Amino acid sequence: QKEVEQDPGPLSVPEGAIVSLNCTYSNSAFQYFMWYRQYSRKGPELLMYTYSSGNKEDGRFTAQVDKSSKYISLFIRDSQPSDSATYLCAMDKGSSNTGKLIFGQGTTLQVKP
Amino acid sequence: DAGVTQSPTHLIKTRGQQVTLRCSPKSGHDTVSWYQQALGQGPQFIFQYYEEEERQRGNFPDRFSGHQFPNYSSELNVNALLLGDSALYLCASSLVGGMNTEAFFGQGTRLTVV
Repeated sequence: QKEVEQDPGPLSVPEGAIVSLNCTYSNSAFQYFMWYRQYSRKGPELLMYTYSSGNKEDGRFTAQVDKSSKYISLFIRDSQPSDSATYLCAMDKGSSNTGKLIFGQGTTLQVKP
Repeated sequence: DAGVTQSPTHLIKTRGQQVTLRCSPKSGHDTVSWYQQALGQGPQFIFQYYEEEERQRGNFPDRFSGHQFPNYSSELNVNALLLGDSALYLCASSLVGGMNTEAFFGQGTRLTVV
């Protein structure tokens, strides 16, 4: 069993829709939860991160962490065609940059005009 | 600021050959981490270099080795290539002691083994 599970999709939505992306994990030691966006033929770029449980909002993006259920979500409001990309969740046990991020498989999102 | 740059962008190698991939970190960064991203998968941590030494290593065989130079740039070497080594190889740079959220990824090198 993988430490982090993520539905690969693909997920196709019309422009303006609310998108929900999710990951589940098995290691209760994870404390830092990140969402990366990866465009085709590009490296991942950090969108948002959350420490422990709770919600965090940044513009059209909201990240949620439920440690009791070992479940994290990323919501995208008013989705745009430019949001079409692969979204990767990533997790770490501590805050220090050891490089040992554990990534999910990634969900491919297509937002149709 | 050029960010993290990787070279080459693409390359094709034959099974059994050896390959060297290169990474120049973002200006001001001194730590380099390497990841392997197979098609349709998330990145997997290979190793991390700081002060020209390997500091952390993921679950990869010894065929994967690296080097960091005094200017903080880094190389990833893979010997005895297997078909399964075909992947996007990502380099992430950061500052020692920094947060895990402060790493910047390059665009990657797409390696195809035939």
